[in-house]
Amino acid sequence: EAGVVQSPRYKIIEKKQPVAFWCNPISGHNTLYWYLQNLGQGPELLIRYENEEAVDDSQLPKDRFSAERLKGVDSTLKIQPAELGDSAVYLCASSLSRGGAVDTQYFGPGTRLTVL
Amino acid sequence: AQSVTQPDIHITVSEGASLELRCNYSYGATPYLFWYVQSPGQGLQLLLKYFSGDTLVQGIKGFEAEFKRSQSSFNLRKPSVHWSDAAEYFCAVASYTDYKLSFGAGTTVTVRA
Repeated sequence: EAGVVQSPRYKIIEKKQPVAFWCNPISGHNTLYWYLQNLGQGPELLIRYENEEAVDDSQLPKDRFSAERLKGVDSTLKIQPAELGDSAVYLCASSLSRGGAVDTQYFGPGTRLTVL
Repeated sequence: AQSVTQPDIHITVSEGASLELRCNYSYGATPYLFWYVQSPGQGLQLLLKYFSGDTLVQGIKGFEAEFKRSQSSFNLRKPSVHWSDAAEYFCAVASYTDYKLSFGAGTTVTVRA
């Protein structure tokens, strides 16, 4: 069974440029998560989707970050414009059920963003 | 809100020696507890989880963890470490009413020959 797929794996951009990350969850998983992982820290949730609905985006900096999950499958996370402090690893995860804490979240390899 | 503390930032252990990683959580009710491992360039992989029942939980790769409510701890152990166990380990907590995983800062494990 294929795991969570993310692309690109690495991205280097200049500050103020836009950037987008793509995630394809495990087939059949209707809950999708985007996490931010700063160097030396654990992941922090940015947004959670149940199917195509963003049910929790309270931690997403909406002035520059946006996300979408069209058709309830793939998802894209965008930053526009990027700032130096956005340099981090962006992780996507998915789980089978409707986001219950008891469900195992399966993580992708992440996208490492460097903003110069 | 729940939180997790992993007191050890970095641990070095000899191959074949035992390993114990500490995790302390803060949560008012019964927590759901997890240990994840992250190898370089890889995503997080679930090692084991505790929801209820037996407080000694067995996981993959020979790992186990013990939930101690009185100490608010969920320490991870492995009797004999292999070089492939070198990675970063994260403890996480969630509640039944809040799906969010709150992660600790992680412990980096180095295995020396």
